[in-house]
Amino acid sequence: TQLLEQSPQFLSIQEGENLTVYCNSSSVFSSLQWYRQEPGEGPVLLVTVVTGGEVKKLKRLTFQFGDARKDSSLHITAAQPGDTGLYLCAGGGNMEYGNKLVFGAGTILRVKS
Amino acid sequence: EAGVVQSPRYKIIEKKQPVAFWCNPISGHNTLYWYRQNLGQGPELLIRYENEEAVDDSQLPKDRFSAERLKGVDSTLKIQPAELGDSAVYLCASSLRGANYGYTFGSGTRLTVV
Repeated sequence: TQLLEQSPQFLSIQEGENLTVYCNSSSVFSSLQWYRQEPGEGPVLLVTVVTGGEVKKLKRLTFQFGDARKDSSLHITAAQPGDTGLYLCAGGGNMEYGNKLVFGAGTILRVKS
Repeated sequence: EAGVVQSPRYKIIEKKQPVAFWCNPISGHNTLYWYRQNLGQGPELLIRYENEEAVDDSQLPKDRFSAERLKGVDSTLKIQPAELGDSAVYLCASSLRGANYGYTFGSGTRLTVV
């Protein structure tokens, strides 16, 4: 069982559509991070959220940290083919897991032109 | 500034053979991590170093895996002997301030054991 559950596992949409991916846990984290990984490359950090209820925007991407710091969402507006990739959420500062990041299994996003 | 550098990018070996991966972290990053990522999964931590000390190796299969970080900079991860189930991408990451501030990952080494 994954500590962080991501949904959906796979998403295929047309260019211009909006989408939301979710990251859920029964555990509390000090921080929640989102990474994007392209084939053959390592994950690249998109954002870190540390405050319950926090919302951060990065151009067309909006990230939200749940009030209880157990879940997060990533919303993409007007998706583009360049958004294609594996989106990973990762939790840090969980007392049970110490000072290390724990990753979800990821959401594979494909944006078709 | 150079990112985290890993080599080789790809490695194909026969089972029971040894293999080694190398990582050069970002200059000044004291913390170095080795992760393994299986196909369709997120990365899973193998070992974490603070400078030259391995502070978390609880997930490292110590019967066949070993790692070292001499002088607290570069690191090497070794598998001997390799098994079919070791096929995966091995990612190295480094950070300056720990888990709550994000990691910088290298491009990884894709290992195929045949």
